[in-house]
Amino acid sequence: EADIYQTPRYLVIGTGKKITLECSQTMGHDKMYWYQQDPGMELHLIHYSYGVNSTEKGDLSSESTVSRIRTEHFPLTLESARPSHTSQYLCASSELDAGRETQYFGPGTRLLVL
Amino acid sequence: AQTVTQSQPEMSVQEAETVTLSCTYDTSENNYYLFWYKQPPSRQMILVIRQEAYKQQNATENRFSVNFQKAAKSFSLKISDSQLGDTAMYFCAILNYGQNFVFGPGTRLSVLP
Repeated sequence: EADIYQTPRYLVIGTGKKITLECSQTMGHDKMYWYQQDPGMELHLIHYSYGVNSTEKGDLSSESTVSRIRTEHFPLTLESARPSHTSQYLCASSELDAGRETQYFGPGTRLLVL
Repeated sequence: AQTVTQSQPEMSVQEAETVTLSCTYDTSENNYYLFWYKQPPSRQMILVIRQEAYKQQNATENRFSVNFQKAAKSFSLKISDSQLGDTAMYFCAILNYGQNFVFGPGTRLSVLP
């Protein structure tokens, strides 16, 4: 399996709380991604980054924000969690070289907002 | 815009049998990459197989092979000698150079004992 980690794996939290989902990779990949996925459903890209200090919004509008201060770290923050944020969040990384741009996924964080 | 279609939301196959999952896509590019990813229940998404569009030869990885038909924009996955551990969601994806991955909606495959 790839060297990409997400914490926490599961999180139950009340409405209005601020949360940060952590994602780290040890492969030195420049590009990192966050996807939102309801169980058994398709993936929706919510954020991505080409490298340090680069962050872009994905195809699905999201109230979350991301930062990329270090190559290996790409945390996602929800300032005020709502029940509509209940989902699974998948982090992924890849090299920038198009010939080797295979995505490697983390184990995911399952978020439940009450 | 790129799109990926997986027309089979769910499939099942008997253990040791062969199953084919379909995937069609749309892109205006000539150079791109195609992928099949596997997501077992409550486990990590992993790459199954990858195909470069400029290669005519179909990719194979052990029991997994693809039938890549560029003109038809079709990229099906064949799983031979199905095993219980093959039970998973399977996502087809396309990557155009310089752009982001686009995933299909997935096919849920159940391998029956």
